[in-house]
Amino acid sequence: KAGVTQTPRYLIKTRGQQVTLSCSPISGHRSVSWYQQTPGQGLQFLFEYFSETQRNKGNFPGRFSGRQFSNSRSEMNVSTLELGDSALYLCASSLRGGSPNTEAFFGQGTRLTVV
Amino acid sequence: AQSVAQPEDQVNVAEGNPLTVKCTYSVSGNPYLFWYVQYPNRGLQFLLKYITGDNLVKGSYGFEAEFNKSQTSFHLKKPSALVSDSALYFCAVRDDSGGSYIPTFGRGTSLIVHP
Repeated sequence: KAGVTQTPRYLIKTRGQQVTLSCSPISGHRSVSWYQQTPGQGLQFLFEYFSETQRNKGNFPGRFSGRQFSNSRSEMNVSTLELGDSALYLCASSLRGGSPNTEAFFGQGTRLTVV
Repeated sequence: AQSVAQPEDQVNVAEGNPLTVKCTYSVSGNPYLFWYVQYPNRGLQFLLKYITGDNLVKGSYGFEAEFNKSQTSFHLKKPSALVSDSALYFCAVRDDSGGSYIPTFGRGTSLIVHP
């Protein structure tokens, strides 16, 4: 069974640009969550999607957005990039949302560098 | 509100010795606790979880964790460390009150196993 796939693995963008990251969850998984990982802040929850609907959103500005497609694939978009957006962005999928006891399966992440 | 603390940024242990990575938590409702491991330039991998039942939980790669409700702790343990166990370890908690089930991750503990 293929794991969670994130593309691209690495990105370099200039301040002010926008970027779109992609995530394909494990087959059959309907819940997709996104996290930002930085050395200073650790793992920060961005948002969670289930059946194409955003279920939860973390404390990030509106420049961060996402969506989920009918095949459960998800994208996140960051507009007007800032230097502080440089981070490892992780996608995680789980079998079902709305359950506290379900573990998440993470992709390898997209390393975004803003210059 | 929920929170999780990993009091040690780094743990050093000799190969063959037992290891412990500490985690304490705070929740309003019932805790659901997870341990994940992250190798360099990779996403997080699920190790084990506590939902309910036995306080000693066994997981992948010979790891286990002990849930202690009175001390609000969920320490990760392994009887005999391997050099290949060297990685970043994250404890995460979910609270079943509130309904959002967004996980909170600790800051991570770097485990270094010396040959």
